[in-house]
Amino acid sequence: GNSVTQMEGPVTLSEEAFLTINCTYTATGYPSLFWYVQYPGEGLQLLLKATKADDKGSNKGFEATYRKETTSFHLEKGSVQVSDSAVYFCARKGINTSYDKVIFGPGTSLSVIP
Amino acid sequence: DTEVTQTPKHLVMGMTNKKSLKCEQHMGHRAMYWYKQKAKKPPELMFVYSYEKLSINESVPSRFSPECPNSSLLNLHLHALQPEDSALYLCASSPSFGGGIHEQYFGPGTRLTVT
Repeated sequence: GNSVTQMEGPVTLSEEAFLTINCTYTATGYPSLFWYVQYPGEGLQLLLKATKADDKGSNKGFEATYRKETTSFHLEKGSVQVSDSAVYFCARKGINTSYDKVIFGPGTSLSVIP
Repeated sequence: DTEVTQTPKHLVMGMTNKKSLKCEQHMGHRAMYWYKQKAKKPPELMFVYSYEKLSINESVPSRFSPECPNSSLLNLHLHALQPEDSALYLCASSPSFGGGIHEQYFGPGTRLTVT
């Protein structure tokens, strides 16, 4: 089937720690992959995306690489800040589906403490 | 302008009330979406509009009635809701609909409480 799996957390890190949030997907073909972030009390914001194998998406110090061989799109940041505390959703969208449905992972809650 | 706006930000309504949620975008996007999000869960797709026509209804109860008056506006009419309908309702838009690489842009949501 078509799904997205990610570590659910919650994840608690100290400021300046290294962050990895794992994400794997199942899909027919090569979907586009996204990371969305939701800050407390807000809607979702696109953090980064990758549309083909080996693409690296990056934004605000976050990075994720589209790995076809492991069907993964892990999110990383070298040094987290308190302001990065949020829920992070990995998502995929098929290119051969009949409509533009985005499949979200369950979300990973991140808390960064000073 | 890459913003999707939603009003109201918060809404409390009784089970016999009729209310509407509004969403607006001025990015020229031709696809618009309604999602429902419960606490600590990912958004669940409710409806998709493409070129102002309803394309997808994800088996949503009829007490939720969407409307797309023009390419920039999307409404969600609410009537006879249940307490379990309390959630964050998110609107989103994207340049096109029907398989592609375009991401969806989300609004800040309306926090709905049904009493």
